[in-house]
Amino acid sequence: NAGVTQTPKFRILKIGQSMTLQCAQDMNHNYMYWYRQDPGMGLKLIYYSVGAGITDKGEVPNGYNVSRSTTEDFPLRLELAAPSQTSVYFCASKTRQGNYGYTFGSGTRLTVV
Amino acid sequence: AQKITQTQPGMFVQEKEAVTLDCTYDTSDPSYGLFWYKQPSSGEMIFLIYQGSYDQQNATEGRYSLNFQKARKSANLVISASQLGDSAMYFCVYDTGANSKLTFGKGITLSVRP
Repeated sequence: NAGVTQTPKFRILKIGQSMTLQCAQDMNHNYMYWYRQDPGMGLKLIYYSVGAGITDKGEVPNGYNVSRSTTEDFPLRLELAAPSQTSVYFCASKTRQGNYGYTFGSGTRLTVV
Repeated sequence: AQKITQTQPGMFVQEKEAVTLDCTYDTSDPSYGLFWYKQPSSGEMIFLIYQGSYDQQNATEGRYSLNFQKARKSANLVISASQLGDSAMYFCVYDTGANSKLTFGKGITLSVRP
């Protein structure tokens, strides 16, 4: 299994540009999450989804949007990129059963200049 | 909101020795979970160990064990027989259970000396 696949791995954006970070999982997991990790810090939750068609805000949602049209995909949209969005972005997924078994993607390193 | 506290500065340990990484949390939830994740310099998040709040015994996974003291709200990670490959950032993570949102601590950097 591929697990959780994030693309791209690296990206440089100019201030004001937009982009979509892709996340796909092939484990039929219900729950999917987007986190960001600033240098020297832990991860903070941006958005999450408990199933197709259902999304909700996390701790730091401003400047981002998500959609969940299928179980497999959970893209994160950045509109009007700002330097404060320079970070490493992680997508994660888990099945409904149990309280463990999160699978993280390898991350997308985004720099906004 | 739940709060995870990891206050140790960078930790150093000699190869083959044991080390304890501290974690305290603040919650009023009756049911929750606690994870430890490892993040090496390559950046991926690696699951190490999980403890449920109602688990009767402390969790163990190979060289990793979790010293869970519920009344004190602490969940310290013990790594036995440290290896050079253990050098990494370690995160204590709180799982709400409801929608399974994770709250990460700030992390502890562990360096293993040969």
